Amino acid sequence: NAGVTQTPKFQVLKTGQSMTLQCAQDMNHEYMSWYRQDPGMGLRLIHYSVGAGITDQGEVPNGYNVSRSTTEDFPLRLLSAAPSQTSVYFCASTTGSSGGPQYFGPGTRLLVL
Amino acid sequence: GEDVEQSLFLSVREGDSSVINCTYTDSSSTYLYWYKQEPGAGLQLLTYIFSNMDMKQDQRLTVLLNKKDKHLSLRIADTQTGDSAIYFCAVNAGNNRKLIWGLGTSLAVNP
Repeated sequence: NAGVTQTPKFQVLKTGQSMTLQCAQDMNHEYMSWYRQDPGMGLRLIHYSVGAGITDQGEVPNGYNVSRSTTEDFPLRLLSAAPSQTSVYFCASTTGSSGGPQYFGPGTRLLVL
Repeated sequence: GEDVEQSLFLSVREGDSSVINCTYTDSSSTYLYWYKQEPGAGLQLLTYIFSNMDMKQDQRLTVLLNKKDKHLSLRIADTQTGDSAIYFCAVNAGNNRKLIWGLGTSLAVNP
């Protein structure tokens, strides 16, 4: 199993550009989520999904869209990048109905100029 | 709202034991986790404990849970320079899969 994979590893965008961060898992996990990690702020939940076709907002969803058309994939779209979205983005997945270990991808480092 | 707190820094000498502490507010949390993050890397699940347990040991790692005080600790025995990293405490928010995160404890291991 590859676990949770994320692409790209690094990305530089100009303000106003759009892009999609890819996340895939091969563990048949129902639950997937996106976090951003900023110095001094810890990890903040952007969006999450409890299964294919179902998504919901986390604490910092503004400026981001998600969709979940398959169990395996959970892409995160930046509609119009802003410097405030410069961050490290992590995707995670887990199974189980009431919790259980969440497994993280290696992260995408995004710089918005 | 729910909160998780950790001290920000810990410095130990190589070979000593390290103890990283965490307090949380959500008494209904069922899973409590410790993650490790090395510089420039992702988050690695180190260990976790169910809320109905007091202690879990896994090789050099010992997790202690005091549910009454809502206190979780991670002890690393015989700390090595390779243990230098940021350690995050996280708990699930009630009976679901959302996680509440501490800000992380940066562990420095001095030779």
